[in-house]
Amino acid sequence: EAAVTQSPRNKVAVTGGKVTLSCNQTNNHNNMYWYRQDTGHGLRLIHYSYGAGSTEKGDIPDGYKASRPSQENFSLILELATPSQTSVYFCASGDPGSSGNTLYFGEGSRLIVV
Amino acid sequence: GEQVEQLPSSLIVQEGASVLINCSYTDSASVYFPWYKQEPGKRLQFIIDIRSNMERKQTQRLTLLFDKKTKHLSLHITATQPGDSAIYFCSASNYNQGKLIFGQGTKLSIKP
Repeated sequence: EAAVTQSPRNKVAVTGGKVTLSCNQTNNHNNMYWYRQDTGHGLRLIHYSYGAGSTEKGDIPDGYKASRPSQENFSLILELATPSQTSVYFCASGDPGSSGNTLYFGEGSRLIVV
Repeated sequence: GEQVEQLPSSLIVQEGASVLINCSYTDSASVYFPWYKQEPGKRLQFIIDIRSNMERKQTQRLTLLFDKKTKHLSLHITATQPGDSAIYFCSASNYNQGKLIFGQGTKLSIKP
């Protein structure tokens, strides 16, 4: 079974503070993704990565940075958190190819910015 | 970029009934369409997929239909059970980019 783990699972942050959400995968997948889930919007792609050292902007990258220091780890960084970034964040890993791009998701990180 | 729309946004049916969830996309370069299920408080899990060179795929109580001309998909779930209560997401991918774009989700509630 593919394994993607996120930490922290729950976080309350103050406006203007720095938040780092971490993701670890043991699938040896090249690609990793960060999405946020909000009611009425489904999942929206923030940043993604093709491998260690690579980060790409998704559809809503403003206010977020990403870091992929290794094959296994992918972090999402909010340098100056704002209340509009209150959401549930999901990390996923996958490998596109002839078999498609089935993603394996973590359990989510619930972030509240006050 | 790609946009994926799902209808309806929510659905309530009696146990045993069949349901249909519709999905449309905009980018003709999308070639792979996986669907995911999210039970309350849980992670998303893959349930079924289809490629653009196919018209139909079936697994157990799920049937996925694909119309390339109209850029439309529909997921049919038969003989619904309480465990089918979840949010269902349609998604689309261009293999070259390897990223999935998701629809807004359809919340399905099954009444016992």
